[in-house]
Amino acid sequence: DQQVKQNSPSLSVQEGRISILNCDYTNSMFDYFLWYKKYPAEGPTFLISISSIKDKNEDGRFTVFLNKSAKHLSLHIVPSQPGDSAVYFCAVLQGAQKLVFGQGTRLTINP
Amino acid sequence: GAVVSQHPSRVICKSGTSVKIECRSLDFQATTMFWYRQFPKKSLMLMATSNEGSKATYEQGVEKDKFLINHASLTLSTLTVTSAHPEDSSFYICSAFSELDTQYFGPGTRLTVL
Repeated sequence: DQQVKQNSPSLSVQEGRISILNCDYTNSMFDYFLWYKKYPAEGPTFLISISSIKDKNEDGRFTVFLNKSAKHLSLHIVPSQPGDSAVYFCAVLQGAQKLVFGQGTRLTINP
Repeated sequence: GAVVSQHPSRVICKSGTSVKIECRSLDFQATTMFWYRQFPKKSLMLMATSNEGSKATYEQGVEKDKFLINHASLTLSTLTVTSAHPEDSSFYICSAFSELDTQYFGPGTRLTVL
């Protein structure tokens, strides 16, 4: 049973436009959420996180929004750049250190 | 920043042999490391939590006799895939938490079992 779901396996966006990646979770007790970026044959790298006490966290071009009532979070990247092309995973923190990942969304930024 | 390394980055082995994958935290000590597995176009699945000086904690459905984990020091955890079979072919990734409580992932090891 998938606790964290990314329903879009892929997304294609034009350079300079906004990329919006979505993630849904099932357990309302989850209280810390993270986004990771992953290139092929490499480990994930941390992008941005959000605690359940907030509904928005911004870091440069990256903003994460959390809608607790809908159990939904999204990552906005604006403006999108070719180097943003990668697979993006959302994850929830279960307990102190255990991460549960979504299936990932492959983002392609077109020049 | 903190770095986690894995060795080897890629390994090909024959069915029935054992393969050892190393995970090292290069500039910090990690009492806990994690081993993940990623199937093609699938999520990273946590296999086990590696605890320095004690037994690893395995997730449900992961065979502990097949995936042996040893965390002998504060900077090294090893995953040994015993009697490997083609279905064990996968991308294995380790991670570790730094003292600042940030999780860093290794670059991964691609295992191919012929």
